[in-house]
Amino acid sequence: SAVISQKPSRDICQRGTSLTIQCQVDSQVTMMFWYRQQPGQSLTLIATANQGSEATYESGFVIDKFPISRPNLTFSTLTVSNMSPEDSSIYLCSVRLADSPYEQYFGPGTRLTVT
Amino acid sequence: GENVEQHPSTLSVQEGDSAVIKCTYSDSASNYFPWYKQELGKGPQLIIDIRSNVGEKKDQRIAVTLNKTAKHFSLHITETQPEDSAVYFCAANAGGTSYGKLTFGQGTILTVHP
Repeated sequence: SAVISQKPSRDICQRGTSLTIQCQVDSQVTMMFWYRQQPGQSLTLIATANQGSEATYESGFVIDKFPISRPNLTFSTLTVSNMSPEDSSIYLCSVRLADSPYEQYFGPGTRLTVT
Repeated sequence: GENVEQHPSTLSVQEGDSAVIKCTYSDSASNYFPWYKQELGKGPQLIIDIRSNVGEKKDQRIAVTLNKTAKHFSLHITETQPEDSAVYFCAANAGGTSYGKLTFGQGTILTVHP
C-alpha cells in the first residue's frame, strides 16, 4: 500500500470562493484520481490527473470548475472554483501504484462545507 | 460503460453472525473486483480484492466469491465484531485492464450489534 496525505483535512468556505486541495503520496504512482463523495453517497470520479498534461475529466465535470494539476508523479492538486453549497462534499485523492497496478488506494479525504 | 449494483443498502447483524453483501456488474470484460470499507470520517480502505482468474479468495474472517458467468460477486464476513460496522463498497474495473476506471456500487451500511 502507500501513505496518501491530503491537505486540508476539512474546511468551511464561503460561496464564490475557491479552495485548492493537495494530495501527496510516498510511493511510486502510476495513476492518480480525484473523486467526490456527497453526503451518504457513493464515490464519483471527477477526473484522472495526468502528469505534465491536462487532466481527463468525466462527464459532468469541467476544467473551469475543477482545475487539476499534477506536476510530478507523487503530487497533485484539485481546485474547487467559484463554490456553491452544492459543492459541499468529501473530496478524495486515489492512486494506483507501480508495483500493484490493479490495486487502488484512497487518501483520508477533504471535508468541504460551503456556506 | 460499467454499471455496478450493490445490495442490501443496509444490513444489521448480531455480533458473531455472518454478513453477506452482493454486487452485480454489467461489463463482461471486467476482471478486477475490489471491496472497500469506509469508517466514519475516513477514506475508503481496500480490504480484499479478487481477479477474474479465481472464484474465491479468503483473508481471515473475510472472503470474496466471484461468479463470472452470472456477473456477480459477494463479500462474506464471518464472526462479525462491532469494529466491522462501517460502509462497504464494491467496485469493478471497466474494460478489463489495469488502467480501467473503477465503477463503485452504492454502498452497504453494516451495523454489528454487541
